[in-house]
Amino acid sequence: KAGVTQTPRYLIKTRGQQVTLSCSPISGHRSVSWYQQTPGQGLQFLFEYFSETQRNKGNFPGRFSGRQFSNSRSEMNVSTLELGDSALYLCASSGGDSYNEQFFGPGTRLTVL
Amino acid sequence: AQSVTQLGSHVSVSEGALVLLRCNYSSSVPPYLFWYVQYPNQGLQLLLKYTTGATLVKGINGFEAEFKKSETSFHLTKPSAHMSDAAEYFCAVIPMDSSYKLIFGSGTRLLVRP
Repeated sequence: KAGVTQTPRYLIKTRGQQVTLSCSPISGHRSVSWYQQTPGQGLQFLFEYFSETQRNKGNFPGRFSGRQFSNSRSEMNVSTLELGDSALYLCASSGGDSYNEQFFGPGTRLTVL
Repeated sequence: AQSVTQLGSHVSVSEGALVLLRCNYSSSVPPYLFWYVQYPNQGLQLLLKYTTGATLVKGINGFEAEFKKSETSFHLTKPSAHMSDAAEYFCAVIPMDSSYKLIFGSGTRLLVRP
């Protein structure tokens, strides 16, 4: 069974640009969550989607948005990039219940110059 | 708000020694509890989880953790460290509020000395 895939793995952008990251969940999983990992703030929850609906959102500005498609694939978008957005962005998929294990992808390393 | 505390940002042990990584959560209602491991340039891999039932949970690679409600703790142990255990370990919870989000501790980097 294929794991969670994220594309691209590495990305370099400049301030003010926007970026879209993609996540393909494990087959059959309907929940996709996104997390930001930085040395200073650690791992922080961005948002979670289940069957194309956002069920929960973390404390991030509106520049961070996401969506989920009917095949459960998900994208997150960051507009007007800031230097502080440089991070590892991790996607996780699960069956959708709180007690389900979340399976993580390898992440997308975003560098903002 | 729910929080997770991991004591010690770095823990160093000798190969073959006991590994003990500490985790405490703040909640009057026990959440679901997880330990994840992260190797360099990789995502997170689940070591073990506690949802209900037996409070001593066994995971992969010889790790285990015990849920102690009275101490609000979920410490991770391994009887004998191996060089390949060197990585960063994260304790995480999902609160019982249907938020579906993992709340992570700050992580503990485990160093294994030969």
